Amino acid sequence: DAGVIQSPRHEVTEMGQEVTLRCKPISGHDYLFWYRQTMMRGLELLIYFNNNVPIDDSGMPEDRFSAKMPNASFSTLKIQPSEPRDSAVYFCASRTSFPGQGVPLNEQFFGPGTRLTVL
Amino acid sequence: GIQVEQSPPDLILQEGANSTLRCNFSDSVNNLQWFHQNPWGQLINLFYIPSGTKQNGRLSATTVATERYSLLYISSSQTTDSGVYFCAVEQVTDSWGKLQFGAGTQVVVTP
Repeated sequence: DAGVIQSPRHEVTEMGQEVTLRCKPISGHDYLFWYRQTMMRGLELLIYFNNNVPIDDSGMPEDRFSAKMPNASFSTLKIQPSEPRDSAVYFCASRTSFPGQGVPLNEQFFGPGTRLTVL
Repeated sequence: GIQVEQSPPDLILQEGANSTLRCNFSDSVNNLQWFHQNPWGQLINLFYIPSGTKQNGRLSATTVATERYSLLYISSSQTTDSGVYFCAVEQVTDSWGKLQFGAGTQVVVTP
């Protein structure tokens, strides 16, 4: 498997613009997570999905952030409007709760991240 | 929520040296993972180790769940071991799947 795929890898935008980050989880994984990494706050969970349904979005910073998972192989994280303080690396991760897939249950695998810069 | 503390915060090693990184956590966990974030920012899975001991090449890890700590051992360090090492845990009583990360240990291996 190609692992978790994220796009774009780098995004530079101006304040006020809409930003959409994309993620393709590992095939067969039923959990998908969005994290944000900043120098000040480290790695923090924003939202996660199980079977395409949002389970916990308590980490989403404010209404400018939204996430969707229209099917098992695709998720988006949208920021509208973007602000300079949103600059960070955004990671997507996935895991499986189905035994017998050759990896431990609960082990999360991370994508390469999207480095977002809002000017 | 659960607290995750990593020590030391920074570590400078000469190539070939051995080291131990520590992760303390404040509550029972059903998942503990060690990651290496390389200088390019990628998070690489090292170990899934909620309890017991595992080894992978020059790296090994031990988690003593009853005492709420985990150790990561790096032996015969190489410059490619440089980066940040994170411990992350999933609390037993917390939402399913929610990993809480420590602040990391920044490791620099010099030639």
